[in-house]
Amino acid sequence: DIQMTQSPSSVSASVGDRVTITCQASQGISSWLAWYQQKPGKAPKLLIYAASSLQSGVPSRFSGSGSGTDFTLTISSLQPEDFATYYCQQANSFPLTFGGGTKVEIK
Amino acid sequence: QVTLKESGPALVKPTQTLTLTCTFSGFSLSTSGMRVSWIRQPPGKALEWLARIDWDDDKFYSTSLKTRLTISKDTSKNQVVLTMTNMDPVDTATYYCARISYRNYFDYWGQGTLVTVSS
Repeated sequence: DIQMTQSPSSVSASVGDRVTITCQASQGISSWLAWYQQKPGKAPKLLIYAASSLQSGVPSRFSGSGSGTDFTLTISSLQPEDFATYYCQQANSFPLTFGGGTKVEIK
Repeated sequence: QVTLKESGPALVKPTQTLTLTCTFSGFSLSTSGMRVSWIRQPPGKALEWLARIDWDDDKFYSTSLKTRLTISKDTSKNQVVLTMTNMDPVDTATYYCARISYRNYFDYWGQGTLVTVSS
């Protein structure tokens, strides 16, 4: 199975900050990676697919990059509604696997 | 618009079999390329993928759980059913169903249903 390792596990930031979350795959997955945002008590929401493609309706302050084993999700200017937990997911091969999550908290 | 909703028991006893139903609208599982998956999330923990069923009835399962899982579909009812045998307290989680319309990306999710395993 492909292991997905996210870092950091949590980050404290202020509104307007630039936030970067990384995700590392245990083996190469090309660009077959997604990022999701999950708020407490809610289902995850797809933000980015194919490593860097923005899902329809997602604000442009979210961006993704990377390929192979190393990936990044960047929030260019953190907004109040962005405080949530973020997960990466590899879509390259079965079984599909998720990272452990990164909680973005208010500083 | 696309919607999915999970239903099933909120409480099951250890060793029992869990049956969950995902009822969806806004798309058809008879359409080429459409797929539905089940994902779960124990309280306070990360997401775990369980199974996928495709428009052509192909099925895929979690490596660690495949002996306990069965996924099936009823296209006429717009439903996908997941059964999990021999439930244990560690299976306590919110269970989600989600649609896949491209590769293995989950673009629409249900609200989730919390299943507690306890005697």
